[in-house]
Order: sequence, then C-alpha cells, then structure tokens
Amino acid sequence: EPEVTQTPSHQVTQMGQEVILRCVPISNHLYFYWYRQILGQKVEFLVSFYNNEISEKSEIFDDQFSVERPDGSNFTLKIRSTKLEDSAMYFCASRVRGNTEAFFGQGTRLTVV
Amino acid sequence: QQQVKQSPQSLIVQKGGISIINCAYENTAFDYFPWYQQFPGKGPALLIAIRPDVSEKKEGRFTISFNKSAKQFSLHIMDSQPGDSATYFCAAAFNFGNEKLTFGTGTRLTIIP
Repeated sequence: EPEVTQTPSHQVTQMGQEVILRCVPISNHLYFYWYRQILGQKVEFLVSFYNNEISEKSEIFDDQFSVERPDGSNFTLKIRSTKLEDSAMYFCASRVRGNTEAFFGQGTRLTVV
Repeated sequence: QQQVKQSPQSLIVQKGGISIINCAYENTAFDYFPWYQQFPGKGPALLIAIRPDVSEKKEGRFTISFNKSAKQFSLHIMDSQPGDSATYFCAAAFNFGNEKLTFGTGTRLTIIP
C-alpha cells in the first residue's frame, strides 16, 4: 500500500541551526501539507502546497519556514534558524485531486536544544 | 472561530463497551468532519468522515453522529477492543475537505480487558 514517508524519524539540532525535514508523498498526489504537533497538544496546520506554490499558510509559518518540491518527488520543510519552541513532531501529508482523504507520514520528531 | 473543541481528554473503556468522543465547532462554514486515529509513533490515519448533509454515518463498529444545529459531532466505537486503544482526533475543514484540516485536541482512548 502506498504511503507517505518522512526522514529522518528523529532529528536533534542546536538552537539557531537550520534543519530540513524531508517527505516523499504518494506518487500521484498533488496536494501537500505540513502539520506539527507539540508534545501532548493538537495537530496544527503549517502550510499547504499545490502546483509548485504555497496555497495557504498559518501564522506559525513565518519567514523562518520555507517549503520546496525540488525534484517532483520530495517535499521539504526548511526551518532556517531553529528555536526551542520549534521542538515538535512534524507531519507531512498528501492527497490526490478529487479525494478529501489526506494521508499522513509517520512524522519527524524535531528536538531543538 | 476556527476552533474545534474535543472532549474528553482521556477515556478508559472496558472491552466490549461503547467509547464516545465529542467535538464541537464554531464556524458554520466547515463542511467536512473527519475523525483520525493515531497510534504511538505513527501519523494520524483517517478513520471515518461525514459531511453536514447527513446526521449519521456508520462504518463497521465506528459511527459518527452529527448535530448541525448544535454544531457538534461525536464518534461512537461499538464493542470497543484493546486494538482500538489510540489517540483520536476530530477535525473540520472547508470546501468539502479540499482545504486544510483544523484538529481538535485529541482523546487518548484506552480499552481495558
């Protein structure tokens, strides 16, 4: 069964460092999302991406965040200068046009120290 | 106005019992209401979803009840099993699910023998 895969599963980084979280969406999907979940809290929307551009972003997704689909298969989230409060589980999701079901990856746990 | 409130935060049910999780929303423009199931170390996975033109949807042991006038919806798990132990998130979206998901805070369900 096709699935969304994310790498790495866990990343530890020092405050102020740049991190790139990687996702491989399901191959025929056209809509891509990043969500995050701070430990013990709800899943929060960060950004949606379609047709090689951001279609919507939340207040959380400030200038420190960026997304890219560099090669037609990977979908990346970059945090330029990480803060302690960026520590969270980051989920990538994707869906196909005409289907409302979003498929989530297993997540990347980001720990900023 | 885009919040989705979920209760209870945690729930313990005996095997064979009925698990009930409730959600309430504020924005009447929401028109897609999914429930996601999340096991430890995994991403959320779609369990069942409903649109506001129906009051109930059943899939196997899982039922969504929807009360449009009260702006509430609930998940009922009949004959609850230990394998149902997971965190459950309700969510809401606009445009029949073609836009971002707004999640509730989650319910940790534990089914005891």
